[in-house]
Amino acid sequence: AQTVTQSQPEMSVQEAETVTLSCTYDTSENNYYLFWYKQPPSRQMILVIRQEAYKQQNATENRFSVNFQKAAKSFSLKISDSQLGDTAMYFCAFIAYSGAGSYQLTFGKGTKLSVIP
Amino acid sequence: ETGVTQSPTHLIKTRGQQVTLRCSSQSGHNTVSWYQQALGQGPQFIFQYYREEENGRGNFPPRFSGLQFPNYSSELNVNALELDDSALYLCASSLRTGNNEKLFFGSGTQLSVL
Repeated sequence: AQTVTQSQPEMSVQEAETVTLSCTYDTSENNYYLFWYKQPPSRQMILVIRQEAYKQQNATENRFSVNFQKAAKSFSLKISDSQLGDTAMYFCAFIAYSGAGSYQLTFGKGTKLSVIP
Repeated sequence: ETGVTQSPTHLIKTRGQQVTLRCSSQSGHNTVSWYQQALGQGPQFIFQYYREEENGRGNFPPRFSGLQFPNYSSELNVNALELDDSALYLCASSLRTGNNEKLFFGSGTQLSVL
């Protein structure tokens, strides 16, 4: 079974501080991509950052970076210099490619992040 | 702005009714996926269409069905609505080129079943 676990239902951080959101996943596939999505109150799912499993180097995107530990199947998101606009639900997800069939995203239950002024 | 639009934004139905949700994908995208997001949960994969054919289904009953059209639009149909079908329904379009797929999500349709 393919699963994603986000163990922090809610988190808060002071504006300009750094916060780390945790995620673990389970898959038997070797070829997969990992994602963090942001869902603000507008409900639109916005891609924050993406990591290819075959790459050892951690992905970074401006203030967002990941700590990808493949052996531990861990994929945490670090947000630096937190801004009020970062307040949202954050979902960890992955797509596993098995060579045939559909490519479906498997999501965790999400972490609600609040940035406090 | 992802270029993916969904309609309607909100919908109220009663148990037993049928509903059709619509999605307009980005031009050129050959794949559309539908997800159900219950309150307080992450999205769950319903099914995917690739070049107008169903290309995979999640753990949803046959009363959930879909269509994909040549003009990059698609539909999600749900028959015999149940209370538990109340959720946000998201569509995501993508251009499948090997294993490097980038999904673009719409803002969803919030369905309430009374």
